[in-house]
Amino acid sequence: EAQVTQNPRYLITVTGKKLTVTCSQNMNHEYMSWYRQDPGLGLRQIYYSMNVEVTDKGDVPEGYKVSRKEKRNFPLILESPSPNQTSLYFCASSLRVLGPYEQYFGPGTRLTVT
Amino acid sequence: DQQVKQNSPSLSVQEGRISILNCDYTNSMFDYFLWYKKYPAEGPTFLISISSIKDKNEDGRFTVFLNKSAKHLSLHIVPSQPGDSAVYFCAASWAGANNLFFGTGTRLTVIP
Repeated sequence: EAQVTQNPRYLITVTGKKLTVTCSQNMNHEYMSWYRQDPGLGLRQIYYSMNVEVTDKGDVPEGYKVSRKEKRNFPLILESPSPNQTSLYFCASSLRVLGPYEQYFGPGTRLTVT
Repeated sequence: DQQVKQNSPSLSVQEGRISILNCDYTNSMFDYFLWYKKYPAEGPTFLISISSIKDKNEDGRFTVFLNKSAKHLSLHIVPSQPGDSAVYFCAASWAGANNLFFGTGTRLTVIP
C-alpha cells in the first residue's frame, strides 16, 4: 500500500529536550516536505527536499532541522524544542518536483512541548 | 501574509443539499489550484484540482469553479452526504514553484 508514515503519532516533551520525528514514504517520490498546522493559520511549510541531499527552507524553518540521506526518509529534528513549537506536524511527498503537484500526506504527529 | 484565504471557518449543510466552499487568492502567479479534505486524526487527502486554463472541473459530486478575474475559486458538493463532514483546505501553486500555499481551512458539517 502506497503511504507516508510518521512516528511518533503523539509526543509530549519538555523544553530543550532534543527530539526527532521520522517520516518515510514507499512511493519512490523525489519531493518531500514538512508542514505544521496551527489553528487559524492553516498548513505552513517548514522545510522541503527536492531529492536526496537537497533540502531548503520553507515559510517557518526557525527551530527546525531536516536531513535527506535516503530517498524514502525525511526526518524532522527539533534540537531545542520550545512551547511555541507545540503543533500538529505533517510530512508529505510528491512525485513531481517542479510545478503543481498532488502531495500525499502522512497521518500527522501531535507534539506538545511543556 | 496569507496568499490563499478561506474566510469561512465553518459551514453547516443539510444532507442532500449543496455545499459551497469558497477560497480567494492574492498571488497572480498561481495557475493551479487544489482542494484537500481532512478527517480528524488523519492527514489531508487530495480531492480535486483545476488548472487556470479552465474555469470548471468536475469529478462526481465535486465540482471546482475558478474565476480568475476575481481571484476566486469555489468547491461545490452535490448532493452533500454526512461522510463529507471534514475540514477542506484550498491550496494553490504555479509551474516552477516548490510549495503549495494553503488556506486556513473550512470545517464542513453535513447534518443527516
